[in-house]
Amino acid sequence: GNSVTQMEGPVTLSEEAFLTINCTYTATGYPSLFWYVQYPGEGLQLLLKATKADDKGSNKGFEATYRKETTSFHLEKGSVQVSDSAVYFCALSDGGSNYKLTFGKGTLLTVNP
Amino acid sequence: DGGITQSPKYLFRKEGQNVTLSCEQNLNHDAMYWYRQDPGQGLRLIYYSQIVNDFQKGDIAEGYSVSREKKESFPLTVTSAQKNPTAFYLCASSTRQTNYEQYFGPGTRLTVT
Repeated sequence: GNSVTQMEGPVTLSEEAFLTINCTYTATGYPSLFWYVQYPGEGLQLLLKATKADDKGSNKGFEATYRKETTSFHLEKGSVQVSDSAVYFCALSDGGSNYKLTFGKGTLLTVNP
Repeated sequence: DGGITQSPKYLFRKEGQNVTLSCEQNLNHDAMYWYRQDPGQGLRLIYYSQIVNDFQKGDIAEGYSVSREKKESFPLTVTSAQKNPTAFYLCASSTRQTNYEQYFGPGTRLTVT
């Protein structure tokens, strides 16, 4: 079956530090890949996505590249802000008929001023 | 604005009572989902529905029930059979047209005492 593995948190950084949150996946076929962000007490928001190999998703300074050869979709940001403190979820859709997403367990990021 | 609404934001119930959580979407999405999130944990799928009048159990359906009488609505009932109902509940919807990217509501925090 499908699975998503993302680095365990929590991750604590100082403002303006470089961020990487690793995500690897196992899936049949050619999945679409997503990063979601959840701020405290809120629902999840789509941060970025990529639908085919070598695609780069980007949004709000965050980037992730769909690497089929390493089955990875690592999230990066060059300079984090306090406002980036949140939980980040990696997810995949294999495009099957069941419409389901497979989520990683989430990584808590805390950015200190 | 299109989106998903969940009401209420906070819900309090006494043990032994059934409670229904509301989820409405005006995105014209075919598929809808219910997730449970416990503190510091990832998402666990309760039920999902691909079309009106049809739904499937997710990973933790015991003690929950749903209905899908209208495309826009997917209410979740937490029954007295659910042993640990206190949690944060998230509703989502998706469509094939956007690679099953899921759009989330703001969530309902249910506390049962």
